[in-house]
Amino acid sequence: KAGVTQTPRYLIKTRGQQVTLSCSPISGHRSVSWYQQTPGQGLQFLFEYFSETQRNKGNFPGRFSGRQFSNSRSEMNVSTLELGDSALYLCASSRTGGWTEKLFFGSGTQLSVL
Amino acid sequence: GQQLNQSPQSMFIQEGEDVSMNCTSSSIFNTWLWYKQDPGEGPVLLIALYKAGELTSNGRLTAQFGITRKDSFLNISASIPSDVGIYFCAGQLEGGSYIPTFGRGTSLIVHP
Repeated sequence: KAGVTQTPRYLIKTRGQQVTLSCSPISGHRSVSWYQQTPGQGLQFLFEYFSETQRNKGNFPGRFSGRQFSNSRSEMNVSTLELGDSALYLCASSRTGGWTEKLFFGSGTQLSVL
Repeated sequence: GQQLNQSPQSMFIQEGEDVSMNCTSSSIFNTWLWYKQDPGEGPVLLIALYKAGELTSNGRLTAQFGITRKDSFLNISASIPSDVGIYFCAGQLEGGSYIPTFGRGTSLIVHP
């Protein structure tokens, strides 16, 4: 069974640009959540999608957005990039996002903003 | 948002030593989770705890759900070089969504 796949693995952008990251969940998983990981702040929750609807949202500005497609694949977009957006962006999937379900993480996309 | 205080921030130990790390919070959690992140990879769930006082083992790893429901502990016995990585605690808040709140991680380095 293939794991969670995130593309691209690495990205370098400049301030002001926008970026789109992609996440393909494990087959059969309908919940996809996104996290930002930085050395200073650790893992912070961005948002969660289930059946193409945003179900939960973290405390990030509106420059961070996402969507989910009918095949459960998800994309995350960051507009008007800032230096502080440099981070490892992780997505995780689970079947339905239920309380006792295990989250499976991808390897992440390392974004560097110059 | 909710804060999880994880300590220590980093540990440098010799192979064969035991390791202890913990997480505390001012909030009550329904669930405590422990993850390990290898370099260049995403976190992988090691142990999940669902009940206050629960003690659960996974090989050389043992974790406990504190009886106050505000803390959790992870112990690694007889460490080996492949234990190197970042260990995260995470909690699911009572009355909150299922999305876990993560600690900032404990970086473990094991010297052969």
